[in-house]
Amino acid sequence: DAGVTQSPTHLIKTRGQHVTLRCSPISGHKSVSWYQQVLGQGPQFIFQYYEKEERGRGNFPDRFSARQFPNYSSELNVNALLLGDSALYLCASSLGGGNTEAFFGQGTRLTVV
Amino acid sequence: DQQVKQNSPSLSVQEGRISILNCDYTNSMFDYFLWYKKYPAEGPTFLISISSIKDKNEDGRFTVFLNKSAKHLSLHIVPSQPGDSAVYFCAARGRSNDYKLSFGAGTTVTVRA
Repeated sequence: DAGVTQSPTHLIKTRGQHVTLRCSPISGHKSVSWYQQVLGQGPQFIFQYYEKEERGRGNFPDRFSARQFPNYSSELNVNALLLGDSALYLCASSLGGGNTEAFFGQGTRLTVV
Repeated sequence: DQQVKQNSPSLSVQEGRISILNCDYTNSMFDYFLWYKKYPAEGPTFLISISSIKDKNEDGRFTVFLNKSAKHLSLHIVPSQPGDSAVYFCAARGRSNDYKLSFGAGTTVTVRA
């Protein structure tokens, strides 16, 4: 069975550019969450989508947006990239929205130069 | 604010001995707790979880203990194996905002042969 898949695995962008990260959840899972992990810290919650609706948003600026598609895959978009956006972006999928068992993808390493 | 804290950034243990990882939290509304293991260049892997209505949950070599009055949980790994060398994250879910997990900063475990 395929786990959570994220693309791309690595990305280098220039300040001010825009980036789109993609996530495919485990088959049958209807919830996708996005987290940002910077070096030396634990993952920080950005968004959760369940059944294509936003259920929650973390403390991130409006430059961050996301959406979930009818097949439950998801995109995370970041506009006007800053150096501080350099991080590992993780996608997690779960059956429902309650996070009693959330499974993570391998992440997308974003470097902003 | 950091509602989930892992105060030991690192732990070194001999192969075959017990590893004990600790986690403290401040939010009394947390009702579900999870432990994840993370290898470099991979996403976090779910290990074990516990509901706040329990004080212990066991799965093979992994046991999680929850002390609600102290707002403290611990993960015991017995016996420790070289493949257990990784970063371990404690995460918690709030009863009223179950759409997100709050993570600690992680503990790096090194198992010595």
